[in-house]
Amino acid sequence: KNQVEQSPQSLIILEGKNCTLQCNYTVSPFSNLRWYKQDTGRGPVSLTIMTFSENTKSNGRYTATLDADTKQSSLHITASQLSDSASYICVVSDYSGGYQKVTFGTGTKLQVIP
Amino acid sequence: DAEITQSPRHKITETGRQVTLACHQTWNHNNMFWYRQDLGHGLRLIHYSYGVQDTNKGEVSDGYSVSRSNTEDLPLTLESAASSQTSVYFCASSDGAAGDTEAFFGQGTRLTVV
Repeated sequence: KNQVEQSPQSLIILEGKNCTLQCNYTVSPFSNLRWYKQDTGRGPVSLTIMTFSENTKSNGRYTATLDADTKQSSLHITASQLSDSASYICVVSDYSGGYQKVTFGTGTKLQVIP
Repeated sequence: DAEITQSPRHKITETGRQVTLACHQTWNHNNMFWYRQDLGHGLRLIHYSYGVQDTNKGEVSDGYSVSRSNTEDLPLTLESAASSQTSVYFCASSDGAAGDTEAFFGQGTRLTVV
C-alpha cells in the first residue's frame, strides 16, 4: 500500500528562524511530489511540485528537495514569518494501472511564534 | 478571478438524514474531486469526475454519491448520514490528471453528524 509519512507531526519555531520538514514515501511507480500549505480553516494551496529528475525547487522562502533513490523529500523554510503558521502536506502521485493516484501525507503543523 | 466555492461552510445534521454538499468552480476544469480530512489521516479521496456525466469511486466512497451534470458543479450526497461521516470535506478541481497538474481546493465544509 502506498504511504506518505511526514515528520515531525508538529513544530514550534521562533519568527525569523529556519526549519525543515520531512516526507518519506513508499509510492511506486513515482510520478511527482508536491508540497501544499494549508492555513487553518482553508483548503490546501500548492507550493512546489517536483518530478523524478528534479532535486530541488524553490518558491520564495520555501525550498523543496527530492531524493528519489531514498524516497525522501524535505521542505525548508527560511527566515520564517508568522504567516508561515500552517499545516504542510506532502503529496505523492504514482501511475498505477494506467492512471494517476494521489496519496496525501498527514501533514506537519508548524507554528511560528514572535 | 476564477475560484472554487463550497457550501455550506458548516453543517450539523442528524443520523440517517440525506445531506448534499455543494461544490462550484469557475476554472472551467474538467476534473473535480471530493476529499475528506480527518485527524490522523491525510486527505482521502471519496469520488472524482473527469468530465460531464463521468463519476468514479475513490478509496472511501461507501455511503457517498456524486453526479456531474455540468462542468462547474460536483455535489456530494451522503445518502444516510452516519456519525463516522463527521469530517471536513474538501472539493478540488484541476486541469489535468490527479497529481499531474495543480489542484485548486475549496475552503472546506465542516460536517457534524449527531
